[in-house]
Amino acid sequence: DAGVIQSPRHEVTEMGQEVTLRCKPISGHDYLFWYRQTMMRGLELLIYFNNNVPIDDSGMPEDRFSAKMPNASFSTLKIQPSEPRDSAVYFCASSPRTGRDYGYTFGSGTRLTVV
Amino acid sequence: SQQGEEDPQALSIQEGENATMNCSYKTSINNLQWYRQNSGRGLVHLILIRSNEREKHSGRLRVTLDTSKKSSSLLITASRAADTASYFCATPGPQGAQKLVFGQGTRLTINP
Repeated sequence: DAGVIQSPRHEVTEMGQEVTLRCKPISGHDYLFWYRQTMMRGLELLIYFNNNVPIDDSGMPEDRFSAKMPNASFSTLKIQPSEPRDSAVYFCASSPRTGRDYGYTFGSGTRLTVV
Repeated sequence: SQQGEEDPQALSIQEGENATMNCSYKTSINNLQWYRQNSGRGLVHLILIRSNEREKHSGRLRVTLDTSKKSSSLLITASRAADTASYFCATPGPQGAQKLVFGQGTRLTINP
């Protein structure tokens, strides 16, 4: 298995532009998680899905952020409009069962820079 | 909010020495996990210890869990330059939430 695949690896965009981050989880994993990592706030959970259904989006900063999982092999995180404070590394992770009881497999992340 | 807190925030040792990192958490848990993150990469799962276990080994890694003190430690023996990374503990979210909450991490540097 190729692991969790994220794209793009790096994204530089201007403030106000729409940004879409993509994730392909490991086949057969029921759970998908989106995290954001910054120096100031560490790793923050934004949203997670179970069997393609969003379960907890309480970590999504504001309405500018949205996430979808149209099928078991693909998820997107969209920011519209983007702002400089959104600059961070965004990670996608998947887990075969509840993340509480099994380890996560993380992707390599997308480093987002909003100028 | 953070559940686990690592200590120290940064640790620098010589190659071959042992490295010990600690994690404290606030609420009751059924397991605790440790992850490693190399610079510019994603996190890698190292080990999971359940609440009914006191110690667990994986290669050069030794993890302990003291539920009475709500703390865990990660020991890396005979450190190597390749162990240079950040190490995070993670605990289940509150109230049965099916998610992990990560601490701020310990930055470990192994000097040759």
